[in-house]
Amino acid sequence: EAQVTQNPRYLITVTGKKLTVTCSQNMNHEYMSWYRQDPGLGLRQIYYSMNVEVTDKGDVPEGYKVSRKEKRNFPLILESPSPNQTSLYFCASSSSGAAYEQYFGPGTRLTVT
Amino acid sequence: AQKVTQAQTEISVVEKEDVTLDCVYETRDTTYYLFWYKQPPSGELVFLIRRNSFDEQNEISGRYSWNFQKSTSSFNFTITASQVVDSAVYFCALSERYRDDKIIFGKGTRLHILP
Repeated sequence: EAQVTQNPRYLITVTGKKLTVTCSQNMNHEYMSWYRQDPGLGLRQIYYSMNVEVTDKGDVPEGYKVSRKEKRNFPLILESPSPNQTSLYFCASSSSGAAYEQYFGPGTRLTVT
Repeated sequence: AQKVTQAQTEISVVEKEDVTLDCVYETRDTTYYLFWYKQPPSGELVFLIRRNSFDEQNEISGRYSWNFQKSTSSFNFTITASQVVDSAVYFCALSERYRDDKIIFGKGTRLHILP
């Protein structure tokens, strides 16, 4: 089954404790992306990747890191989480860039206390 | 700069009524792509439609239809004979072909279909 998976689905952590949210897709997609969803703000793009070892900032990259060492995986790293990073996070992939439909993962709800 | 405006934050209609969700966009590119996504109460994001800037034909898919008008920079979404299952948050999104591969989403419209 074609899908994008994210882990964990729910996470409660404390300020400053490094964490990683994993994202994996099995569709051989080149483009992968991370978004955060906050009430009243919609979906905002954090980082995206056009291919292995190619990443770029979206609109809200501060406080986040990403890496793309393999085509199927695109982890989101929060080196020192803060309460303003409490949000619902979505990973997505598409066959060829932002011009094509995005396939979204199920979301990760992160709470930073 | 790219911008997507969904001015309707929340809409409530009675089942079987028609409802239109507005989407207005700003772009400096001549080649761009517009999308609609649905987020039902279960939380997943579901792709509904993609339209490129050179294709202004309206599209109909069952009870859903989309009206793309470059003259007004709008890409509106109409649900005909709405059903309770249409209750969701709907997002409009824009990407520009030649600038970068960012995607800009609108803030979404929460649609309530009342039985």
